[in-house]
Amino acid sequence: QKEVEQNSGPLSVPEGAIASLNCTYSDRGSQSFFWYRQYSGKSPELIMSIYSNGDKEDGRFTAQLNKASQYVSLLIRDSQPSDSATYLCAVRSGAGSYQLTFGKGTKLSVIP
Amino acid sequence: DAGVIQSPRHEVTEMGQEVTLRCKPISGHNSLFWYRQTMMRGLELLIYFNNNVPIDDSGMPEDRFSAKMPNASFSTLKIQPSEPRDSAVYFCASTGTGSSYEQYFGPGTRLTVT
Repeated sequence: QKEVEQNSGPLSVPEGAIASLNCTYSDRGSQSFFWYRQYSGKSPELIMSIYSNGDKEDGRFTAQLNKASQYVSLLIRDSQPSDSATYLCAVRSGAGSYQLTFGKGTKLSVIP
Repeated sequence: DAGVIQSPRHEVTEMGQEVTLRCKPISGHNSLFWYRQTMMRGLELLIYFNNNVPIDDSGMPEDRFSAKMPNASFSTLKIQPSEPRDSAVYFCASTGTGSSYEQYFGPGTRLTVT
């Protein structure tokens, strides 16, 4: 059973602070890792993808991957109230599979 | 470019009725996924198609659920007969060829079975 675990939160951070969201996965053979943002009543929106160990930065977002520890994280710098949403971690397992396994998400609240 | 299109956006039906949800993937994408999202279970994969062929339907809850993809630009998810426990948001997502495997979601169909 492939599992993706996230702290459900809510995670509350003040505006302007760094929000740190974490995710662990069980399948050591996992190849691709994604972060989705989902506003209440809306569909998941892809914000970051990462495929190799290390950091990947895109604007205020940084994804970090450590395959040895089976751990992926998302940092949001200069958090804004508009970042308040649920963040879903998704993991793609072995070669040739298109299937993603999603965590249940962490709810982030950015306090003005 | 248009994203993934789903219809209807909202569906309210009575228990026992047939429900059909529709999805048009992003043009050029060759893989299509149907998900169901509830508060209790999160986002669950029901079935996915690659080049219009069902690859994995192990997530389909029971025989009341069926899905088809008659061509590259259209898919349906049918529930017959519907039950109150089927109430959820159903999402369709698609992904293209290449190595990114990034999935893009449609707006979803909120299904309520009374």
